[in-house]
Amino acid sequence: GAGVSQSPSNKVTEKGKDVELRCDPISGHTALYWYRQSLGQGLEFLIYFQGNSAPDKSGLPSDRFSAERTGGSVSTLTIQRTQQEDSAVYLCASSLGQTWNTEAFFGQGTRLTVV
Amino acid sequence: EDKVVQSPLSLVVHEGDTVTLNCSYEVTNFRSLLWYKQEKKAPTFLFMLTSSGIEKKSGRLSSILDKKELFSILNITATQTGDSAVYLCAVRTDSWGKLQFGAGTQVVVTP
Repeated sequence: GAGVSQSPSNKVTEKGKDVELRCDPISGHTALYWYRQSLGQGLEFLIYFQGNSAPDKSGLPSDRFSAERTGGSVSTLTIQRTQQEDSAVYLCASSLGQTWNTEAFFGQGTRLTVV
Repeated sequence: EDKVVQSPLSLVVHEGDTVTLNCSYEVTNFRSLLWYKQEKKAPTFLFMLTSSGIEKKSGRLSSILDKKELFSILNITATQTGDSAVYLCAVRTDSWGKLQFGAGTQVVVTP
């Protein structure tokens, strides 16, 4: 596609429910990143996929968070048993990858509200 | 621990003013530094800097990197209300492209 696409754009869920957030990267981009931005805060790294390599999960805040990337393209971030502190904007980005000198392009994000 | 620090956290200027935003970093493995503009949700890419002393310019925006003193500045001249946004600085810290972000600088341009 023309840009990084994320869905849904907004999600309201009840505490304790599971949610799935989707990211469709730019076609041909092998690197895909998930970030989280709480209100008034900077971007917090969650997880990074690069091609077929094992993902860098070092930013996932707890074992309630997981992500997968099927076929090297679309990624799903899953949050189990959501808590109010999970409320944030979840941003996905993609880049050509496998090199440090390419820019990352962001999607519009999913605003998650846990009530 | 890698750190990216932006200053100021916020500022308010009048249209036509010039603003200078700062980004300093302490990371174990510097690869490149990127600037983004965030108006609503999605940060939009502005510049990527890899070499010291070479200014990148796009219209009224410009940026430069100092790898000796470990900082970068983003300048906006002749500011307009459309420049109101949060400006994010990020440092790439590994070969694969992982980005470490600063907290951002909120710029408000008043008419």
